This record gives sequence, C-alpha cells and structure tokens, in this order.
Amino acid sequence: DIQMTQSPSSLSASVGDRVNITCRASQGISNYLAWYQQKPGKVPKLLIYGASTLQSGVPSRFSGSGSGTDFTLTISSLQPEDVGSYYCQSYNSAPRTFGQGTKLEIK
Amino acid sequence: QVQLQESGPGLVKPSQTLSLTCTVSGGSISSGGYYWTWIRQHPGKGLEWIGYIYYSGSTYYNPSLESRLTISVDTSKNQFSLKLSSVTAADTAVYYCARQYCGGGRCNPFDFWGQGTLVTVSS
Repeated sequence: DIQMTQSPSSLSASVGDRVNITCRASQGISNYLAWYQQKPGKVPKLLIYGASTLQSGVPSRFSGSGSGTDFTLTISSLQPEDVGSYYCQSYNSAPRTFGQGTKLEIK
Repeated sequence: QVQLQESGPGLVKPSQTLSLTCTVSGGSISSGGYYWTWIRQHPGKGLEWIGYIYYSGSTYYNPSLESRLTISVDTSKNQFSLKLSSVTAADTAVYYCARQYCGGGRCNPFDFWGQGTLVTVSS
C-alpha cells in the first residue's frame, strides 16, 4: 500500500507569508495527488487535483507542484481565512491514502 | 447537484456493529464510473479512507479494517451502507460518505461529500 507522509505536521506563519507544505508518497503516484483544506467542523474542501490543477473557485494564491513521489502545496501570501488543516491524498490507487495532515495557524 | 447524506445511530455500544447509510440524491448511484466511498475522521485527527463500492457490488476495503467491514449498495433506494463489527472506542469518529469518478484507467478526486455524522462508541 502507498503511504503518504506530510510535513510539517503543524505550522504557524504570519499574514502575507509564503507557506509550503510537502507530501511524499512511498511509491510513485504520477500526478494523482489532491490537496484538501478542512476547517474545524467542516467537510474537507478540494483545493488542487492532478498535483497542480486548481479547483474552480479556489483563490489563485494556492498552487501545487510535483510528480512521482514528492509534492508541494504553496500558499503565496497567507490570509487569515487560510487557517485550518491541509491533507494530501493519493487518489488513483487503492487504498486512497491520505497524508496525516498539516495544521496551519496564524502567528 | 448531487447530494450525499449519512444517517444512522450516533451511539453504539462496544462489541456491537456500527451501521450507517448514505443516501444519494440528485443523481443515480447506478451511474457508471462512480465509486461510492466511506471515509472517517477520529476526533481531532486526520482523514482515514475506509473503502468503496461500485454499483455492481464490487468493493475495496482498507486492509486495516477489512476483517470487520462490509460495504453494500441498494440501487433501488439509491443508497450505500457501511457495517463495522466488533467496535471499540477507537472506532469513535465522524464518518463521511463521498463520491469518486474513475474511467479509462484513471480516477478523479472526491467531488461530493456528505456532511458527516459523528458515531460514538461507548457503553
């Protein structure tokens, strides 16, 4: 089974900062990598799929990169509403494994 | 617009079977290409993929839960269900249902989710 490892597990940054979250797959998954944002008490929201394709309606400050085993989610200028948890997911192979999550807070 | 809604008991006793149903509206569960999925989230923790079912009845389960898990589909009611046996407090979680499309050898990420339902395992 594919394992997904995210880092860091938590992150505190200031408004306007550039933020990077990384995700590593235990084996190559091509570009079948999604990023979700989850706010407390809410359903996860799809941000990026295909490793780098922005879901409709998602602000352009979010971007994704990578292929194979190493992936990055970047927020170019952190906004207060970006607080929450972020999860990567390998979605083409079974089991559809999620990373353990990154909790993002504002400093 | 497709909607998914979880339903079932919010409290289950240890050693009993947890049973949940996901009702799909705005689309047919028998539409080809869609994999109907269960995901759970332990309180304050990350997301755990449980398994999926296709309308034909074929399933894939998370190996960590496979021995206790049954996912079934009722196309006449446009529903799919989860049964998890011999539950313990470690099965306390918010349970989500979701939809995923796969075709031509490739899949899309989950596009529709239910709102989630909290199931607590306690005596």
